[in-house]
Amino acid sequence: QKEVEQNSGPLSVPEGAIASLNCTYSDRGSQSFFWYRQYSGKSPELIMFIYSNGDKEDGRFTAQLNKASQYVSLLIRDSQPSDSATYLCAPHNSGYALNFGKGTSLLVTP
Amino acid sequence: DVKVTQSSRYLVKRTGEKVFLECVQDMDHENMFWYRQDPGLGLRLIYFSYDVKMKEKGDIPEGYSVSREKKERFSLILESASTNQTSMYLCASSLRGYEQYFGPGTRLTVT
Repeated sequence: QKEVEQNSGPLSVPEGAIASLNCTYSDRGSQSFFWYRQYSGKSPELIMFIYSNGDKEDGRFTAQLNKASQYVSLLIRDSQPSDSATYLCAPHNSGYALNFGKGTSLLVTP
Repeated sequence: DVKVTQSSRYLVKRTGEKVFLECVQDMDHENMFWYRQDPGLGLRLIYFSYDVKMKEKGDIPEGYSVSREKKERFSLILESASTNQTSMYLCASSLRGYEQYFGPGTRLTVT
């Protein structure tokens, strides 16, 4: 079984703070990594994609990948109440399907 | 923009009924997927298809079947609905190795 581990949360951060979401995976064959955001009652939407070690920044979001340690993280700077959602990590290897984690619930409090 | 549509947002069926959930994508994607999502269990893959008429079992295929007669359409079939199949069902599509795009979901209740 290829495991993807995420802390279920909820992770509570005050508005304006940095939210740090972490994901570890067991499949060393994972090539690329996706972060999805899912608002309550809605379907997941892609917010970040990373395939190289290091950092990738997109606006307030930064994805960090460390293949040697088999973890990927998502940082959200200047967190807003609208960032409150569940964040799903999804490593991908050479197969067809993504392997989704169960997600971390983030709550940004005003 | 990629668009994935699902036939119903909400569906209520009785135990033992045959249920069809349909999914259509408009981006000529090769791959299509059916998931169910339950609180605390995350997204679980039921079936996927990588080409017309091709299908592969996911993690929880029992009680389900699928059909893909056309590239843009992927159907999930519950042969005899049971109460433990009450769930949110999500369809997704992708090009191989790339991100999956999800439909809005169908919340199915089996009574």
